[in-house]
Amino acid sequence: DADVTQTPRNRITKTGKRIMLECSQTKGHDRMYWYRQDPGLGLRLIYYSFDVKDINKGEISDGYSVSRQAQAKFSLSLESAIPNQTALYFCATSDPDREGYGYTFGSGTRLTVV
Amino acid sequence: LAKTTQPISMDSYEGQEVNITCSHNNIATNDYITWYQQFPSQGPRFIIQGYKTKVTNEVASLFIPADRKSSTLSLPRVSLSDTAVYYCLAAPYGQNFVFGPGTRLSVLP
Repeated sequence: DADVTQTPRNRITKTGKRIMLECSQTKGHDRMYWYRQDPGLGLRLIYYSFDVKDINKGEISDGYSVSRQAQAKFSLSLESAIPNQTALYFCATSDPDREGYGYTFGSGTRLTVV
Repeated sequence: LAKTTQPISMDSYEGQEVNITCSHNNIATNDYITWYQQFPSQGPRFIIQGYKTKVTNEVASLFIPADRKSSTLSLPRVSLSDTAVYYCLAAPYGQNFVFGPGTRLSVLP
């Protein structure tokens, strides 16, 4: 099983719908992140969480919200999806005390908003 | 966070050594340099991390000169499967990384 699992892998939704992307990890890491990637661009940080009670906005948090349900689970919600939120979304985890501060990424969720 | 600059793209041939250089002129004393590899439709994968001089693992080597204003990722004897985007990042230990557009490496037969 993958260390960081994202569901769904692919999703097509309509404009205005609420959608949730889920991420779970078996790494035991405290830190979790949501990134967005658009074609030809790098990854942009949406939200991050350093522990269960901690939520922080990244550089592009508008239109998104998150929930850290447990150490192992971090979900991203689009309250009212719009077409320019069509992108590849990645969840990642890290633990600077354990692994030299490298991120472990999930396989991504490809979201299309029509 | 230190801004990093790397070539947008590079081509190489199978069996060659590939060196990708990253510039980070305003790197801070407590910044670490980290490289990631990303294949299409997959999440980035941690390759190597260093602070100064040279670091080597089973995948790559990382060379960092004394002034730390640049770093070079070296991939020995690349194969077609090394075709990917490579990201260079610089950030203090424990802080978030900023992923730029990276370097798109194409390995040709």
